[in-house]
Amino acid sequence: DVKVTQSSRYLVKRTGEKVFLECVQDMDHENMFWYRQDPGLGLRLIYFSYDVKMKEKGDIPEGYSVSREKKERFSLILESASTNQTSMYLCASSLAGLRGDRPQHFGDGTRLSIL
Amino acid sequence: AQSVSQHNHHVILSEAASLELGCNYSYGGTVNLFWYVQYPGQHLQLLLKYFSGDPLVKGIKGFEAEFIKSKFSFNLRKPSVQWSDTAEYFCAVTSYNNNDMRFGAGTRLTVKP
Repeated sequence: DVKVTQSSRYLVKRTGEKVFLECVQDMDHENMFWYRQDPGLGLRLIYFSYDVKMKEKGDIPEGYSVSREKKERFSLILESASTNQTSMYLCASSLAGLRGDRPQHFGDGTRLSIL
Repeated sequence: AQSVSQHNHHVILSEAASLELGCNYSYGGTVNLFWYVQYPGQHLQLLLKYFSGDPLVKGIKGFEAEFIKSKFSFNLRKPSVQWSDTAEYFCAVTSYNNNDMRFGAGTRLTVKP
């Protein structure tokens, strides 16, 4: 079974702090993704990566950055946390697929509160 | 980019009732379609997916979905729901040659015992 592990289940930070969310997958997947999940809005794609040191902006990248130095690890960085970034953050990974038909495997999520 | 609409935000059913959750996508090209389920306190899990072939696909736990290309729809169905089906259901789409997925807003299903 694919295991996607997010470093924290719950996290509380203060406005203006730099916040790091870590995600590790153990199945040698090429693709990794970060989403935020908000009630009534579903999952919105923040950033994704198809390979080490590669990154692509999703639909809502403002205020976030990412880092992928190793294949198994994909970090989401909130450069200067703001209260509107309070949310559930989900990490996912998938195999590369030429057809785009590979399902994504999700972690348990990090519930981040910015005070 | 592709997008997904789920019209039902919250559905409440009694056990043994039939279920149909709507999903429509907007994208003119070839798509791959997915339904995910999120049980309370758990991570998202794949229910089923469609990428080609028979437009009626069967998934886990008795769920099925039908791809109707002319309607840009991929509705999820189950003939008889159980209390354990209480969860949030997400429809998602990728386009051909693209691995980035777009999700609908989700439908919360409550099944009353």
